[in-house]
Amino acid sequence: QVQLQESGPGLVKPSQTLSLTCTVSGGSISSGGYYWSWIRQHPGKGLEWIGYIYYSGSTYYNPSLKSRVTISVDTSKNQFSLKLSSVTAADTAVYFCARAILNCSGGSCFYYFGLDVWGQGTTVTVSS
Amino acid sequence: EIVLTQSPGTLSLSPGERATLSCRASQSVSSSYLAWYQQKPGQAPRLLIYGASSRATGIPDRFSGSGSGTDFTLTISRLEPEDFALYYCQQYGSSNRALTFGGGTKVEIK
Repeated sequence: QVQLQESGPGLVKPSQTLSLTCTVSGGSISSGGYYWSWIRQHPGKGLEWIGYIYYSGSTYYNPSLKSRVTISVDTSKNQFSLKLSSVTAADTAVYFCARAILNCSGGSCFYYFGLDVWGQGTTVTVSS
Repeated sequence: EIVLTQSPGTLSLSPGERATLSCRASQSVSSSYLAWYQQKPGQAPRLLIYGASSRATGIPDRFSGSGSGTDFTLTISRLEPEDFALYYCQQYGSSNRALTFGGGTKVEIK
């Protein structure tokens, strides 16, 4: 059974870069059809998709965060990571990693099976 | 960008009652791309429904999804105590491969 676990600093200073890693256990990050995702939830608010990455390295980002976000994958460690630059207090949130399943072929995706596995989430506070 | 609007914001019901949650899209969404999640306080969301109407693994059959185009519904046929939670709809955007969440509906005990 696949499990995800987020790790990284819980406190980041304003203007610095937030860095988180998600470790995948119980399965290979290189398996086809899976898009490894980051989602965040501001305190008392709804869910916001940040972006996801395929094991090949293809990335897709939320347009509203794209200029500050980098998601990368390390298949040798079965991990993927999030970097969010120039953070402010507005980036304070619980950050989740999750697995999205998409049936894609020829550059198009035809079926979305949802975000079926989630990490427990990690709280990141931006404060000096 | 497709916007998902969930209603009502809060649904106050008693155990055993039927819950009907709405998710309306700002433009047509393929049923193949629509999912629903449940979230309890302090927990990660849990996938309930994908493809608008297919239950995820282990989800009880009191949960059902329906709809097409711009209007989708999550129905809980008879509320159990553990069903009082937040519910989110979510869609995959085929044009830009972006994921979008609705604002959520809270189902609370009346």
